[in-house]
Amino acid sequence: QVQLQESGPGLVKPLETLSLTCAVSGYSITSGYNWGWIRQAPGKGLEWIGSKFHSGSPYYNPSLKSRVTISLDTSKNQFSLRLSSVTAADTAIYYCARAHSWYYLDRWGQGTLVTVSS
Amino acid sequence: QSALTQPASVSGSPGQSITISCTGTSGDVGSYNLVSWYQQHPDKAPKLMIYEDTKRPSGVSNRFSGSKSDNTASLTISGLQAEDEADYYCCSYAGSSTWVFGGGTKLTVL
Repeated sequence: QVQLQESGPGLVKPLETLSLTCAVSGYSITSGYNWGWIRQAPGKGLEWIGSKFHSGSPYYNPSLKSRVTISLDTSKNQFSLRLSSVTAADTAIYYCARAHSWYYLDRWGQGTLVTVSS
Repeated sequence: QSALTQPASVSGSPGQSITISCTGTSGDVGSYNLVSWYQQHPDKAPKLMIYEDTKRPSGVSNRFSGSKSDNTASLTISGLQAEDEADYYCCSYAGSSTWVFGGGTKLTVL
């Protein structure tokens, strides 16, 4: 059974870089699919951050593109999110997810809350 | 890239049917058969309920169905049950290798 688990600091200072990792078990990220990040600000809706296929360039939400980096670590079967120059507006629950191309997201991590505060 | 438009809330009594709309544009919902719907219970991760506008994943109740007309997709839940009370989000491929979500709809089962 495919499982995804986010990990990383729960507190990040303003203007610093948020870094999260998603460990994947039960499936090799090199076997296909699209690996992405979605966030949800407190009491708000879902926002797609970006995605990366097992090969090729990553794709990002245009509103976050200048600050986001998504990468895959095939040796550890995990993928990562880096979001630079964070502000309080970046406080959210961050989910990692597996997607069938651009069709749908079928497996989600449990989510991890990241708070931006000094 | 603007969020898809959903009603903030809908409600229904057990056994009734409800429909949640999701309005986009000709650049997203109207251009691709790639609308998906997600159910999210409090403090839980979203769960896929409908994909490719109308398809239902294995294990999802057939009380859930999806449809689409022009730039508006819809999720219908028939035979409402207490366990259906949750937030529902639509999502569409928006071209240029991007996705866009709806703002979410809170379903209350009266």
